[in-house]
Amino acid sequence: DVKVTQSSRYLVKRTGEKVFLECVQDMDHENMFWYRQDPGLGLRLIYFSYDVKMKEKGDIPEGYSVSREKKERFSLILESASTNQTSMYLCASSLPRDVGGYTFGSGTRLTVV
Amino acid sequence: AQKITQTQPGMFVQEKEAVTLDCTYDTSDQSYGLFWYKQPSSGEMIFLIYQGSYDEQNATEGRYSLNFQKARKSANLVISASQLGDSAMYFCAMRPFGNEKLTFGTGTRLTIIP
Repeated sequence: DVKVTQSSRYLVKRTGEKVFLECVQDMDHENMFWYRQDPGLGLRLIYFSYDVKMKEKGDIPEGYSVSREKKERFSLILESASTNQTSMYLCASSLPRDVGGYTFGSGTRLTVV
Repeated sequence: AQKITQTQPGMFVQEKEAVTLDCTYDTSDQSYGLFWYKQPSSGEMIFLIYQGSYDEQNATEGRYSLNFQKARKSANLVISASQLGDSAMYFCAMRPFGNEKLTFGTGTRLTIIP
C-alpha cells in the first residue's frame, strides 16, 4: 500500500524552539507539499517541492523553511516556533500533472505553548 | 490566483438521502482540474473525484458524482444514498493545468443522521 508517512501524529513544543516536521513517501513522486489546516480557513499551502533541492513558496511561507535532500523526504522547519503556528500540518505528494490528485499523510497536530 | 468558495460550513442529512455539497471557483485560467477530498475524523485526506475543465461529461465514481457547470464556475459534489460513514469534512480544490499546486476551499462538515 502506497504511503505518505508523517513522523509524529501529535507534537507539543515550546515557544522559540526549532521544530522539524518530517514527511516520507514511498511512491517515487516528484512533487511534495506542506499545508497547514485551520478551522474556517481550509488548507493553505506553505511550501512545495518539485524535485530534490528544489522548492517554491506557497501562500503562507513566513516563519517556515523546508528541506528536500532526498526524493522521498520533505521536511518542514519552524525556525522559532510561535503560538500562532499551532495547527494541523499535512504533507502530500504527487506525480506531475496527476489527475488523481495528491496522496496525503495522516497529519501532525502541532501545539506550541 | 485561484479562489474556491464553499458556502456551507456544516450540513446535516438523513441516512439514505442524496447530498449536494456546493463549490464555486474563480480563475482566469482556461484549462484546469477540479478535485474533491474527504477528511474523516482520523484526519487523513482521501481523494474522491476529479473533473477536467474540458471534460464534456460529469465525472462519476461510485456513489460520488460531480455536477460541473463551467459557465457558472460551479463544481458541486453529489453523494447518492448517503451512509453513516460519509460523515466527514469535504474539501473542494482546483489546480490550473501546468500548475502543480492545489488551492482548497474552507470545507463543509457533513453529518449523516441515522
